[in-house]
Amino acid sequence: AQSVTQLGSHVSVSEGALVLLRCNYSSSVPPYLFWYVQYPNQGLQLLLKYTTGATLVKGINGFEAEFKKSETSFHLTKPSAHMSDAAEYFCAVSRGGADGLTFGKGTHLIIQP
Amino acid sequence: GAVVSQHPSRVICKSGTSVKIECRSLDFQATTMFWYRQFPKQSLMLMATSNEGSKATYEQGVEKDKFLINHASLTLSTLTVTSAHPEDSSFYICSASREEYNSPLHFGNGTRLTVT
Repeated sequence: AQSVTQLGSHVSVSEGALVLLRCNYSSSVPPYLFWYVQYPNQGLQLLLKYTTGATLVKGINGFEAEFKKSETSFHLTKPSAHMSDAAEYFCAVSRGGADGLTFGKGTHLIIQP
Repeated sequence: GAVVSQHPSRVICKSGTSVKIECRSLDFQATTMFWYRQFPKQSLMLMATSNEGSKATYEQGVEKDKFLINHASLTLSTLTVTSAHPEDSSFYICSASREEYNSPLHFGNGTRLTVT
């Protein structure tokens, strides 16, 4: 079985500040890890993913995440928050291939002006 | 542009009626599509895996007779909520991936179902 834990249902940062959204996972097999963003009443947009290879993954909109196997973590960061980053962020894990995703509960990112 | 189209985006129906939601992959063939349900301010829960030409695989606790899934072609999967009740009101999202291994899942924009 797989699971994802996102620490902090709400995270608030000032515009221009560092964004750090935490994600820890458990998986019985090498995981495929994803971060998605969701705007109100919309579907999910893929920010980045880790499958194999380089553990530091760069995604869209300036986001990146680092896969740390020893810590079973895949935290999402962005050096400088922008107002448009305000949204719901979901970390997810899968076994790859045609396997569905297991999502964390989500973190609502609030950007303070 | 959107690679997975979901229709309708919003639907309101009366209790006891059935509602069909369509999920289409626009520029690729998807042998596998996934259906998720999202309650307000909560995460997405996988309901079922839709396989082209075969029966869907449902997650534990999901009523297959209530949530009928048909994957009639490589670009279309449908979810029919039968005999809908107010507790079925939710946000339903589909996703699909290209056939290439390790391709990311692309999500539709979701369907907001309200059962009155």
